[in-house]
Amino acid sequence: EVQLVETGGGLIQPGGSLRLSCVVSGFTVSINYMSWVRQAPGKGLEWVSVIYSGGTTYYADSVKGRFTISRDNSKNTLYLQMNSLRAEDTAVYYCARVSGEDYYFDLWGRGTLVTVSS
Amino acid sequence: EIVMTQSPATLSVSPGDRATLSCRASQSVSSNLAWYQQKPGQAPRLLIYGASTRATGIPARFSGSGSGTEFTLTISSLQSEDFAVYYCQQYNNWPLFGGGTKVEIK
Repeated sequence: EVQLVETGGGLIQPGGSLRLSCVVSGFTVSINYMSWVRQAPGKGLEWVSVIYSGGTTYYADSVKGRFTISRDNSKNTLYLQMNSLRAEDTAVYYCARVSGEDYYFDLWGRGTLVTVSS
Repeated sequence: EIVMTQSPATLSVSPGDRATLSCRASQSVSSNLAWYQQKPGQAPRLLIYGASTRATGIPARFSGSGSGTEFTLTISSLQSEDFAVYYCQQYNNWPLFGGGTKVEIK
């Protein structure tokens, strides 16, 4: 069965750091393009980052220089390291599989909530 | 910079009726457009890609059309499980979602 399970969310103070994990079963992370997409409370969806099968990474301007996407092939797990967190980073963070070289998202996890507040 | 605009923001429809949702891009995205359904507390689900191709397992009552800057998602006969928020997303450039249309029970 295909599953994407995100963990690592929680309440964090502004300026703090958090690492999200997405454990995948049913397909291999390393041979797929994988992304993080977030959704602020009551708002729409925002693409955050992608890692290609070859390891190249890209980021939305809103998180560039603060967030880092990575993966552990041995654990079939995707990560998002979030530093210098701001209140506007508060959102549910979803990991999602990108469908090949077309940037739509065909599989999604259930998400993990990150709240940045003092 | 591309802007994706969905209309209406809210659509009130009776079960069994047809629903027509619109998505407009500020510049051409060719047919690089996807539609998603999201229910409260759940992750989005892919419905349509390539503007008109249904994803695996999506019922035939969902159909997509359009190209360039104007796109439509049609639900031919609304079922109770179809009341949700629908998002379009262009992937001609970096992924960008529209603001969503909420389909509610009339």
